[in-house]
Amino acid sequence: DGGITQSPKYLFRKEGQNVTLSCEQNLNHDAMYWYRQDPGQGLRLIYYSQIVNDFQKGDIAEGYSVSREKKESFPLTVTSAQKNPTAFYLCASSIRGVGYTFGSGTRLTVV
Amino acid sequence: AQSVTQPDIHITVSEGASLELRCNYSYGATPYLFWYVQSPGQGLQLLLKYFSGDTLVQGIKGFEAEFKRSQSSFNLRKPSVHWSDAAEYFCAVGSGGYQKVTFGTGTKLQVIP
Repeated sequence: DGGITQSPKYLFRKEGQNVTLSCEQNLNHDAMYWYRQDPGQGLRLIYYSQIVNDFQKGDIAEGYSVSREKKESFPLTVTSAQKNPTAFYLCASSIRGVGYTFGSGTRLTVV
Repeated sequence: AQSVTQPDIHITVSEGASLELRCNYSYGATPYLFWYVQSPGQGLQLLLKYFSGDTLVQGIKGFEAEFKRSQSSFNLRKPSVHWSDAAEYFCAVGSGGYQKVTFGTGTKLQVIP
């Protein structure tokens, strides 16, 4: 079945450490997105990519980085510059005008 | 800039009762509107979407929504709620194509027996 796979489901980060969240889709969707979810704040866009080798900053890109080397993959790195990284991270993909398909999320906790 | 307001943070309804979740949007042109549902610890699932045409949109799980341009609203309704509908619901607005979608802050639905 086609879908989006996010891994790991749970991730723990030490202070000052970079971590990478994986997002893979087999839907042949052109566009991919990363959102951050905090209680009571809805979803906030971190980065998005419409085509391979191209991506744009969203509303809260500081402290994050992405790459889009393959159509199927859009990994997100949470760098040590992100001062409050504890959150639920959601990856999504879309084709034009259809709406998003979401992964099941990664919960990141700073320890 | 586009924005979405969901005025109700939390709603409680009895099983079998009707449901209406409110959503107001701000957008300069004809919007693309969505409703998503999220179970705890999971991703979001698309319930329904409006792009154009009939302003009453049918979705999955018995949900429907009505687009009212004059009120800038896109309220979600269900005639009879089931216990399995307990979840968080998000309204969203976008411009179509691959432009980013803006989400509301969500409404958490509790269903009591």
